[in-house]
Amino acid sequence: GAGVSQSPRYKVAKRGQDVALRCDPISGHVSLFWYQQALGQGPEFLTYFQNEAQLDKSGLPSDRFFAERPEGSVSTLKIQRTQQEDSAVYLCATDPSGGFGDEQFFGPGTRLTVL
Amino acid sequence: DQQVKQNSPSLSVQEGRISILNCDYTNSMFDYFLWYKKYPAEGPTFLISISSIKDKNEDGRFTVFLNKSAKHLSLHIVPSQPGDSAVYFCAASADHGGSQGNLIFGKGTKLSVKP
Repeated sequence: GAGVSQSPRYKVAKRGQDVALRCDPISGHVSLFWYQQALGQGPEFLTYFQNEAQLDKSGLPSDRFFAERPEGSVSTLKIQRTQQEDSAVYLCATDPSGGFGDEQFFGPGTRLTVL
Repeated sequence: DQQVKQNSPSLSVQEGRISILNCDYTNSMFDYFLWYKKYPAEGPTFLISISSIKDKNEDGRFTVFLNKSAKHLSLHIVPSQPGDSAVYFCAASADHGGSQGNLIFGKGTKLSVKP
């Protein structure tokens, strides 16, 4: 497809369960960002990759959150031992230019609900 | 402490009239500003941007104004159309043209354009 895709679109997890959220970027896009959007809030930065290198993970809220992009394309955001406060929409965004670009292209997001 | 603030959670406008969405920021290091539009169950889509070296940028019905001294920007939509009904997010970046481009978002303003 032409855009950023994310899967699953919806995920319900029991508290304490591990989850993995996938992002398929636009082909050739160098930069990849993960954001967390809580209900009624704007997206908040989690982490940033340039190709396979994770250059900034300052936004990850705890060590239960882990992201990878091993081949510089698909990225996975993993949350271990999920908590209710992890419930949010997780957005992936990509940029063709290594952070120099004018805009980021967002996927539709994964809505995570932790019971 | 919110660095990007959208103080109006909602705005209702009649079709054909002007919509003005406002955004304030606190970080003087921000050098690039963007507006994103978001429909339900979709990711944000880029609308228009402005560099801090400009005070106005126009694209069709959309114009963004930047007042650096007041740390204020606004998005004007004229004429407003029912299809413009969405949540609008203001976002800012502190390193445009550098190696890191994560965006800081406001909480959004829900625009309703009534026929």
